[in-house]
Amino acid sequence: DVKVTQSSRYLVKRTGEKVFLECVQDMDHENMFWYRQDPGLGLRLIYFSYDVKMKEKGDIPEGYSVSREKKERFSLILESASTNQTSMYLCASSWTGVSYEQYFGPGTRLTVT
Amino acid sequence: EDKVVQSPLSLVVHEGDTVTLNCSYEVTNFRSLLWYKQEKKAPTFLFMLTSSGIEKKSGRLSSILDKKELFSILNITATQTGDSAIYLCAVEAWSGGSNYKLTFGKGTLLTVNP
Repeated sequence: DVKVTQSSRYLVKRTGEKVFLECVQDMDHENMFWYRQDPGLGLRLIYFSYDVKMKEKGDIPEGYSVSREKKERFSLILESASTNQTSMYLCASSWTGVSYEQYFGPGTRLTVT
Repeated sequence: EDKVVQSPLSLVVHEGDTVTLNCSYEVTNFRSLLWYKQEKKAPTFLFMLTSSGIEKKSGRLSSILDKKELFSILNITATQTGDSAIYLCAVEAWSGGSNYKLTFGKGTLLTVNP
């Protein structure tokens, strides 16, 4: 079974803090994705990566950065957390050219106070 | 900018009813349309549609794509309480090189009451 894990299920941070969300997959997938999910807005793509050290902006990259130093790990970084970044964050991975069959992690519910 | 619109946003039905969920899209470099089911946690993949007019079927669920009119429908017949979930539509589009990305709709929240 493909396994995508995320470092925390629930996280509470203060405004201005630097926040790291980690995602690890064990299927040797080339592609990894970070989404946020908000009520009434659906799933929105923040950043994605097709290879180690490679990143592409998604639809809402502002306020976020990412890091992919190893193939299995994709980190989402909030340089200075703000209350409007309170959300559910979902990581996903897939094989090259097969982005439709994405395997999702369990999600991290981040609250910024 | 790629756009995916789902309707209705929410729906409440009784067990045994048949439901139709809608998804329309405006996308550059379209490759496929996907349907996902999301219960409490992460989305799980249901269908991928690439060709117009060919119905995909899995048990009580079926889906079809119209590439001319740029929409898809997901049908669920004889609904059960276990069908209660958010149903997400996503469109896969080419994003350069050999790479593709997904754009999701807002989802339809389906509640099936006993």
